[in-house]
Amino acid sequence: GAGVSQSPSNKVTEKGKDVELRCDPISGHTALYWYRQSLGQGLEFLIYFQGNSAPDKSGLPSDRFSAERTGGSVSTLTIQRTQQEDSAVYLCASSFQSGISTDTQYFGPGTRLTVL
Amino acid sequence: LAKTTQPISMDSYEGQEVNITCSHNNIATNDYITWYQQFPSQGPRFIIQGYKTKVTNEVASLFIPADRKSSTLSLPRVSLSDTAVYYCLVGDLGSNAGNMLTFGGGTRLMVKP
Repeated sequence: GAGVSQSPSNKVTEKGKDVELRCDPISGHTALYWYRQSLGQGLEFLIYFQGNSAPDKSGLPSDRFSAERTGGSVSTLTIQRTQQEDSAVYLCASSFQSGISTDTQYFGPGTRLTVL
Repeated sequence: LAKTTQPISMDSYEGQEVNITCSHNNIATNDYITWYQQFPSQGPRFIIQGYKTKVTNEVASLFIPADRKSSTLSLPRVSLSDTAVYYCLVGDLGSNAGNMLTFGGGTRLMVKP
């Protein structure tokens, strides 16, 4: 079956512009996660959704970052007024259900964001 | 919030057993330990998960001591294709909504011929 997909695969933008990153989780997965990975670094947890709600948004780096999920499916991560330090690979993952820590996360290929 | 520490890198040779240890001194009672593998330009992929003692699957074993303050991923007889970054993940989104998932910095394993 189809895995987690993300779009665009690459995004180059100018400092100060807004960007939207999209994640399509595996069908039927209720939990969705966003991570950020800077070049050569580990994964930084940003936010997760249980259905359409995000119980904890404290992982978002600043108020320029926001995320939403509609219909319990597609999620969008929006970065406003991008800065060069926002350049990274943004990874999305989904799992069948969250709140159960045995649940395996399935990751998408990521979106590589470059802010000039 | 469980913080994890892993060695930055390890080298090995084909056919050897590789053990990668992750320290998580502040692990909470409800936290599970999960290991992921990541190849360049790909998202991480699940390897194995455990809560305590030993877990084994077709690709790896996971050893967790009684105090659960560390865990060791064991890869038997590695091959060149096992060259990747290995991440230790500790966390639970269940009982405490304030808990975030914490990945270790990852261990870059290089398998040489």
